[in-house]
Amino acid sequence: GENVEQHPSTLSVQEGDSAVIKCTYSDSASNYFPWYKQELGKGPQLIIDIRSNVGEKKDQRIAVTLNKTAKHFSLHITETQPEDSAVYFCAASLGGYQKVTFGIGTKLQVIP
Amino acid sequence: SAVISQKPSRDICQRGTSLTIQCQVDSQVTMMFWYRQQPGQSLTLIATANQGSEATYESGFVIDKFPISRPNLTFSTLTVSNMSPEDSSIYLCSVEGESAEAFFGQGTRLTVV
Repeated sequence: GENVEQHPSTLSVQEGDSAVIKCTYSDSASNYFPWYKQELGKGPQLIIDIRSNVGEKKDQRIAVTLNKTAKHFSLHITETQPEDSAVYFCAASLGGYQKVTFGIGTKLQVIP
Repeated sequence: SAVISQKPSRDICQRGTSLTIQCQVDSQVTMMFWYRQQPGQSLTLIATANQGSEATYESGFVIDKFPISRPNLTFSTLTVSNMSPEDSSIYLCSVEGESAEAFFGQGTRLTVV
C-alpha cells in the first residue's frame, strides 16, 4: 500500500519568514495530494490540494509543488503569521473514494 | 464543502465500557470514513461505511471492537467497545467531497481511565 513520509516533524520560524514542509510517497499511481491544517482541539481542515496533472498550485500565501518523477510534494507558506501555528499533514490518494494515506504531521510554530 | 457534526466532542470513560460516537453530515454522501488519531500521531483509517452494507475495515481493526452503523446517507455511528487505556485517542469522522477532497468533523477526544 501507499506510504507517505513527511519532514520535518517540528518547524519553528520567525514571523514573516517562509516555511517549507516536504513529503514523499511510494505509490506511483497516487494522483491526489491534499494538505491539511489541524489546530489544537479541532479536526483537520483542507487548506490546499494538487492533482497529478499539475506541477504547482498557489493560493495567496500558500503554495504546493509536485514532482511526480521523484514522487515528492511540498507545502510552502510565505510571510508566516502566528495564526499559521498548527500541525500540518500531507496526504496521498488514488482519488475517487480511495483510501487517503496521511503523513505523520509537522508541528509548525511561528514565533512573533 | 460538507459540514460535519460529531458528538460527543470529548468523553472520559471507564475501562471495559463502550462509547458510541455519532457523525451527522449536512448533505447526502455515499461513503463515510472513520479515523483514529492517537496522541501526537497521524490519522489512521479505521473503516469505510457505506449505507446499506457492512463497513469495510482496515488491517488491524475489527468489527467486534469498532462496530459501525450507517442507517442513512447523512449519519453514521462508531462504537468503541470494551475500552482500554490504549483506546484513548481522537476519533474523526470524514466524508469525501465532489473532487475527492476529505472533510473532517471536529473529532471526539476519548480518554479511557
